[in-house]
Amino acid sequence: GQNIDQPTEMTATEGAIVQINCTYQTSGFNGLFWYQQHAGEAPTFLSYNVLDGLEEKGRFSSFLSRSKGYSYLLLKELQMKDSASYLCAALDSNYQLIWGAGTKLIIKP
Amino acid sequence: ETGVTQTPRHLVMGMTNKKSLKCEQHLGHNAMYWYKQSAKKPLELMFVYNFKEQTENNSVPSRFSPECPNSSHLFLHLHTLQPEDSALYLCASSQDTSGGARGDTQYFGPGTRLTVL
Repeated sequence: GQNIDQPTEMTATEGAIVQINCTYQTSGFNGLFWYQQHAGEAPTFLSYNVLDGLEEKGRFSSFLSRSKGYSYLLLKELQMKDSASYLCAALDSNYQLIWGAGTKLIIKP
Repeated sequence: ETGVTQTPRHLVMGMTNKKSLKCEQHLGHNAMYWYKQSAKKPLELMFVYNFKEQTENNSVPSRFSPECPNSSHLFLHLHTLQPEDSALYLCASSQDTSGGARGDTQYFGPGTRLTVL
């Protein structure tokens, strides 16, 4: 079956760095998405990786290793507003998104 | 502002009621989606429309009935729901469903928080 695994919850300190991991098992692979979702709000697009390597976008970076079925989202210089759930989703061979349950990130002062 | 709006934002209904959820996208996209989001569970894809045609129905109970009159509007008609249908219902849109250079990034509306009593 197809599956996405990511931690349920993580806690980090304001100003620090946190890495949210995601492993995936899909029938074929056409890329991996990260979305941010604040409580009660819409998921918003953060990144899309289809090639191996690290893509940096401001304080957020996303990494992909296709051979390992692994991705991570790296958040630097954490701010209180980064408290949210982070959703990992992989695109399978039929271009269907397979979603993880999300990682709730709690930022403490 | 993501360009996808949903109404109502909150809805409380009894099991015998009939109600409709509305979604509108202002992004010029051709594909629209309904998802169910329950606490601590992955997003569940319910329906997909591409160019107004339904392309996917993931074994959703018939008490949920989608309608897509044009590429900008999507409805979800609800009737005789069960308490376990209480969840956040999210609408999303993308350029189309064929993949594309960016894997067809989906843009979400804020959702309707549905409570079935």
